[in-house]
Amino acid sequence: GQQVMQIPQYQHVQEGEDFTTYCNSSTTLSNIQWYKQRPGGHPVFLIQLVKSGEVKKQKRLTFQFGEAKKNSSLHITATQTTDVGTYFCARRISGNTPLVFGKGTRLSVIA
Amino acid sequence: DGGITQSPKYLFRKEGQNVTLSCEQNLNHDAMYWYRQDPGQGLRLIYYSQIVNDFQKGDIAEGYSVSREKKESFPLTVTSAQKNPTAFYLCASSIGGGTNTEAFFGQGTRLTVV
Repeated sequence: GQQVMQIPQYQHVQEGEDFTTYCNSSTTLSNIQWYKQRPGGHPVFLIQLVKSGEVKKQKRLTFQFGEAKKNSSLHITATQTTDVGTYFCARRISGNTPLVFGKGTRLSVIA
Repeated sequence: DGGITQSPKYLFRKEGQNVTLSCEQNLNHDAMYWYRQDPGQGLRLIYYSQIVNDFQKGDIAEGYSVSREKKESFPLTVTSAQKNPTAFYLCASSIGGGTNTEAFFGQGTRLTVV
């Protein structure tokens, strides 16, 4: 019940196409965090969502938190080759417990 | 520069040998974590520590050991009891104290056991 499920596992897109990855939980989330890991690199924090229905934007990236706080999505508009990598969502169960990560969505962008 | 440093970046060991991975942070973070990453598996928690001289097992602690004698350091030992130790190991830290804190990751150590 603590896991977060991510779909799809892989996504291949042509440069310029949009991309969306989804993160789902069977239980209500207090917050959700998103990380990006470039090939051969380490995860880097992108954003945190806390409020029900919250939407945040970072340039071409749009992050949403569901009204019921059980799901979240990351949408990239007009993908570029620099977007290549694996995108993870992560949750904390409570307090100072460790982050629990989804298995990630690996994005490939074909130029 | 503030950050979290893992060393070495690549490590090769013979089967049956113990090996220790280093993780140091100068962010003054209370909490530190070790994750293991295998292809298609995401990040799985090995051990974590919320304060000096205290640590807790994660989901896959068997075959691993840690220590937290200093706030800055959280070394991970991969013992010969670990059945399949070849993997990418990531150390992370966070301020601690609540659910709304992000994790900062080191560059990782890629361990290959032959």
